[in-house]
Amino acid sequence: DAGVTQSPTHLIKTRGQQVTLRCSPKSGHDTVSWYQQALGQGPQFIFQYYEEEERQRGNFPDRFSGHQYPNYSSELNVNALLLGDSALYLCASTPVSGGNSPLHFGNGTRLTVT
Amino acid sequence: SQQGEEDPQALSIQEGENATMNCSYKTSINNLQWYRQNSGRGLVHLILIRSNEREKHSGRLRVTLDTSKKSSSLLITASRAADTASYFCATASNDYKLSFGAGTTVTVRA
Repeated sequence: DAGVTQSPTHLIKTRGQQVTLRCSPKSGHDTVSWYQQALGQGPQFIFQYYEEEERQRGNFPDRFSGHQYPNYSSELNVNALLLGDSALYLCASTPVSGGNSPLHFGNGTRLTVT
Repeated sequence: SQQGEEDPQALSIQEGENATMNCSYKTSINNLQWYRQNSGRGLVHLILIRSNEREKHSGRLRVTLDTSKKSSSLLITASRAADTASYFCATASNDYKLSFGAGTTVTVRA
């Protein structure tokens, strides 16, 4: 039973560029959340997708956008990259929408912006 | 901003000792969860305690919740080298997100 998979594992981009990160949820899960984790900090909620729609958004600018496909996989897009966007980006899935279920995390994508 | 605050920020103990870390939060919650993270990898769920529960056990883990003080504690008994990791508390309120604290880094010395 595959868990949450994320790609790529590492990425180096230049300031101003755009990036797309991908996530496949755990089998049987239909809800995907994205978190940003800066070095030495806890994960910060970016947004959650359920039934191909954004259900809730954290305190992140419009440069951060997402998408969920009919097979429940998801993408996180970040435009006009800033140095401060360097972080570990974590995807998590749950079988139901809402914050009341344990999250199953992938191993993340380490994004470095130079 | 972080909802939860873990204390201490870092903890170093000898193998076999117990490790205790605390979490305080600000707003009312539906449940509180604890996660472990090994060296920049994904987080692993450890235990969930609902707002109407006071204590919960899972193997060597014991979690308490005091909603009147808006605080929780995680106790790891008989620690092992494999318990070396960062531990995060996360709170769930009436929305779709979990709010994480900044974590406690635990080092277990052989």
